[in-house]
Amino acid sequence: EPEVTQTPSHQVTQMGQEVILRCVPISNHLYFYWYRQILGQKVEFLVSFYNNEISEKSEIFDDQFSVERPDGSNFTLKIRSTKLEDSAMYFCASRGQIGTGELFFGEGSRLTVL
Amino acid sequence: GESVGLHLPTLSVQEGDNSIINCAYSNSASDYFIWYKQESGKGPQFIIDIRSNMDKRQGQRVTVLLNKTVKHLSLQIAATQPGDSAVYFCADNAGGTSYGKLTFGQGTILTVHP
Repeated sequence: EPEVTQTPSHQVTQMGQEVILRCVPISNHLYFYWYRQILGQKVEFLVSFYNNEISEKSEIFDDQFSVERPDGSNFTLKIRSTKLEDSAMYFCASRGQIGTGELFFGEGSRLTVL
Repeated sequence: GESVGLHLPTLSVQEGDNSIINCAYSNSASDYFIWYKQESGKGPQFIIDIRSNMDKRQGQRVTVLLNKTVKHLSLQIAATQPGDSAVYFCADNAGGTSYGKLTFGQGTILTVHP
């Protein structure tokens, strides 16, 4: 069964450092997303990406965040200068069909900012 | 701001019982609702969705009920199994037109005892 894969599974970084989280969405999907979940809190939408550009982004997704699809398979989330409050589980998701919210999520990348 | 929330944070049932997980939403413009399941250490997994022009939708062992009058959503799981133990999230499209930008509730922990 096709799946979304994410790397790394866990990253520990110092405050102020840049972090890149990587995702390989399901190959024939066209819509890509990043969500995050702070420990014990809700899953929150960060950004959606379609046709090589950002479709929508949340208030959380400020100038410190960026996304990129550098080739035909990878989808990355970059945090330029991490803050303590960026510590969370980051989920990548992809969607293949129009008209459905059936997102396929990866297992997440846990980011710990010290 | 608008939010999707849950009545009960935990639900404990015996194997074979039926489970009902409830969710209240506040955005009257929301027209698309989804249930996700999240097992420990994994990303959310799509269970079932429903559009606002319906009040009931059935899947395999699951039924989603939508009451737009009182802005209430429920997930019924028939013959609950230990493998159903997980956190269950309701989510909606928060009145938007995108199916991928979802607002998640806080989650209900379902524990199924053998």
